[in-house]
Amino acid sequence: KQEVTQIPAALSVPEGENLVLNCSFTDSAIYNLQWFRQDPGKGLTSLLLIQSSQREQTSGRLNASLDKSSGRSTLYIAASQPGDSATYLCAVGAAGNKLTFGGGTRVLVKP
Amino acid sequence: EPEVTQTPSHQVTQMGQEVILRCVPISNHLYFYWYRQILGQKVEFLVSFYNNEISEKSEIFDDQFSVERPDGSNFTLKIRSTKLEDSAMYFCASNAGYNEQFFGPGTRLTVL
Repeated sequence: KQEVTQIPAALSVPEGENLVLNCSFTDSAIYNLQWFRQDPGKGLTSLLLIQSSQREQTSGRLNASLDKSSGRSTLYIAASQPGDSATYLCAVGAAGNKLTFGGGTRVLVKP
Repeated sequence: EPEVTQTPSHQVTQMGQEVILRCVPISNHLYFYWYRQILGQKVEFLVSFYNNEISEKSEIFDDQFSVERPDGSNFTLKIRSTKLEDSAMYFCASNAGYNEQFFGPGTRLTVL
């Protein structure tokens, strides 16, 4: 059974600092990995999708890496802003399209 | 930009009552999903649906749950007899295949 873990559970940084969010998974037989942002009481906004054959994906200030063999993905957010404060979730996609989610990292960017 | 929509945004019901949560997936998507998130816990997969039938369901998705695509645009989740532990945020999602899943804003279900 796939288990997805995100460490740390919470992170507080001053504005302008780069953010590094970690995600690990136990079963490397994945199809893809997706990073989401969730604001309090809101839905999930997709940030990046990395296919299992890819090592990296970039969108603006966001960069996500994937090391399938070691069961790890990292989301980098450059030059953080207060508006980046949210919970970031990673989810691993398996056969059948089912996503298994981590518990999230709650990020606070202080002005 | 196309988006997944869900109604209602908040549903309050009495234990034992039936509820139907509604979703309109993105129009050219073929795969539909329901997930739930109990307050303070992880998002959990409930069911996936493709070609008018269930593709996969989790252990949570027991006989009290059912899904339906009643027409060309809606996708519904029915809970026949709600329990207190069904209180959660329910998310609908859709995609076109093995690619990015797009989530709706969620329906907060409160069972009293």
